[in-house]
Amino acid sequence: AQSVTQPDIHITVSEGASLELRCNYSYGATPYLFWYVQSPGQGLQLLLKYFSGDTLVQGIKGFEAEFKRSQSSFNLRKPSVHWSDAAEYFCAVVRGGADGLTFGKGTHLIIQP
Amino acid sequence: DGGITQSPKYLFRKEGQNVTLSCEQNLNHDAMYWYRQDPGQGLRLIYYSQIVNDFQKGDIAEGYSVSREKKESFPLTVTSAQKNPTAFYLCASRLSGTSTDTQYFGPGTRLTVL
Repeated sequence: AQSVTQPDIHITVSEGASLELRCNYSYGATPYLFWYVQSPGQGLQLLLKYFSGDTLVQGIKGFEAEFKRSQSSFNLRKPSVHWSDAAEYFCAVVRGGADGLTFGKGTHLIIQP
Repeated sequence: DGGITQSPKYLFRKEGQNVTLSCEQNLNHDAMYWYRQDPGQGLRLIYYSQIVNDFQKGDIAEGYSVSREKKESFPLTVTSAQKNPTAFYLCASRLSGTSTDTQYFGPGTRLTVL
């Protein structure tokens, strides 16, 4: 069965500093991977997705992610964070067909002024 | 505007009562999903539907029921058999059952059992 691990429950970053959120997956075939962001009490917004091709994927709000098959990872990065980036971030993998997504438990990002 | 609406935003229920959460989409998507979110647990799949009048159980379907009588609607009923129903419930949809389609989420309903 597919699984997604986000090793960091909380991460604190100073405003203007760089950010990397980790995601590791377990999946037998080529994974279809997503990063979503959730503000408190809100739904999820798609940041970016990877299906195939270029392993460096660009998303919205200045985020990017790199797929590394050898490390089973799909880490999310941003060169300079803004206070508005404070939120919960979820990595997810497609379960197969129309079966929905398997999510990691999320990483809570805190931005220090 | 196209999108997914969920109502109500907040819902309170007494123990032993059934309650139905609404999910409507005007994106003309075939597939719809219900997830449950608990603090520190991520999202877990309750039910999903690929087409009208058809749906499948997800990982935590016990104590829940759904219907899909119309393409745009996928209501979730939380029954009294659900042992711990207090949670944040998210509805999602995607264009079809194809794995590469993006899943879009509604704003969620927070259910509290009193």
